[in-house]
Amino acid sequence: TQLLEQSPQFLSIQEGENLTVYCNSSSVFSSLQWYRQEPGEGPVLLVTVVTGGEVKKLKRLTFQFGDARKDSSLHITAAQPGDTGLYLCAGANRGGATNKLIFGTGTLLAVQP
Amino acid sequence: DAGVTQSPTHLIKTRGQQVTLRCSPKSGHDTVSWYQQALGQGPQFIFQYYEEEERQRGNFPDRFSGHQFPNYSSELNVNALLLGDSALYLCASEQRQGGYEQYFGPGTRLTVT
Repeated sequence: TQLLEQSPQFLSIQEGENLTVYCNSSSVFSSLQWYRQEPGEGPVLLVTVVTGGEVKKLKRLTFQFGDARKDSSLHITAAQPGDTGLYLCAGANRGGATNKLIFGTGTLLAVQP
Repeated sequence: DAGVTQSPTHLIKTRGQQVTLRCSPKSGHDTVSWYQQALGQGPQFIFQYYEEEERQRGNFPDRFSGHQFPNYSSELNVNALLLGDSALYLCASEQRQGGYEQYFGPGTRLTVT
């Protein structure tokens, strides 16, 4: 069974601080996606990483896929209250019949003004 | 370009009843997946439909069934509802021949009393 563990589970920081969220597995994934979800809404796709060692930047967010494609990190620089939400990583294995996503346990981020 | 839409947004049912949830995929997408998200947890894969057939199923009982229509929209049916079925039900769509990315709808909040 493929599992993805995220750490930390909860994070409360002040506006302007930096933070890193980790997503780890013992399994290899073809790709890994990061989503942000707000209460009562569906997850919104932030980024997809496919190649081992890949780094992608989205404004103040930096995403990295591990060399072995088993782990990933999300770094936020100068966090803002609008970054508050549940951050989810999800691994996928393309090939075969389907592309189901295995979700991590989630990191709940609260950025205080 | 309309994204993934789901209906209804909220639903309250009594234990033992049956429920049908609906999903319309993003324009150009032909594959629909359903996920169940309990409070405070990451989404769990229920099943995926492509070409009107169930292609893969997660660890959910036969009480959970689905259907995909020729226009790619989909339904999730749950019979003999249990209190533990209370959750946010998410639909995600993708283009099978595209990349790895799944796009989520806003979800249907199901409460079983």
